[in-house]
Amino acid sequence: GQQLNQSPQSMFIQEGEDVSMNCTSSSIFNTWLWYKQDPGEGPVLLIALYKAGELTSNGRLTAQFGTTRKDSFLNISASIPSDVGIYFCAGRNAGNNRKLIWGLGTSLAVNP
Amino acid sequence: GAVVSQHPSRVICKSGTSVKIECRSLDFQATTMFWYRQFPKQSLMLMATSNEGSKATYEQGVEKDKFLINHASLTLSTLTVTSAHPEDSSFYICSAREGRGNSPLHFGNGTRLTVT
Repeated sequence: GQQLNQSPQSMFIQEGEDVSMNCTSSSIFNTWLWYKQDPGEGPVLLIALYKAGELTSNGRLTAQFGTTRKDSFLNISASIPSDVGIYFCAGRNAGNNRKLIWGLGTSLAVNP
Repeated sequence: GAVVSQHPSRVICKSGTSVKIECRSLDFQATTMFWYRQFPKQSLMLMATSNEGSKATYEQGVEKDKFLINHASLTLSTLTVTSAHPEDSSFYICSAREGRGNSPLHFGNGTRLTVT
């Protein structure tokens, strides 16, 4: 099925560094969602975005809904070891029966 | 916040047997629930959309007779893997949407199915 282009695929950083990841789509979305998944668990919602240009924060996390409505980024500031996991973007467009379309994930490793 | 409970978290079964996985929305009503399958190091793959009081909608390539879905109430959907085979071994995750429209999905903790 259709997938989003999520990058980078993986990151290995030092504790305290900032992290940025993004997703792009060939079609326009009206919702962008960012999830984090720990091993053996279900994804947990981090941030939901509903308007083009919207910038939303959740603690050290910040995400933006791109103005073209075809992209979104997630930033993590001052990373800590518990930020380790796989981050997924997901988007929804009204023309696709409201199904979520998923990125392939960004695997984040943090070196303490 | 919205909580989705999935049970069991792990199950091991023999080939040919059937396994039922439950998904419950604990503090909200969900007219629609979604069942996903995830292979190691891969993204989530939507299997079917479960609609309360009506038939589930299956994605292309997903056998409806093998993966039986029942959404009997506004807080419970079940997925039954019938006549399981080793290739059905996977991580199955359910999710539910609180409200309608563009509200985000909340996920259960997944079920690790191993078929021997």
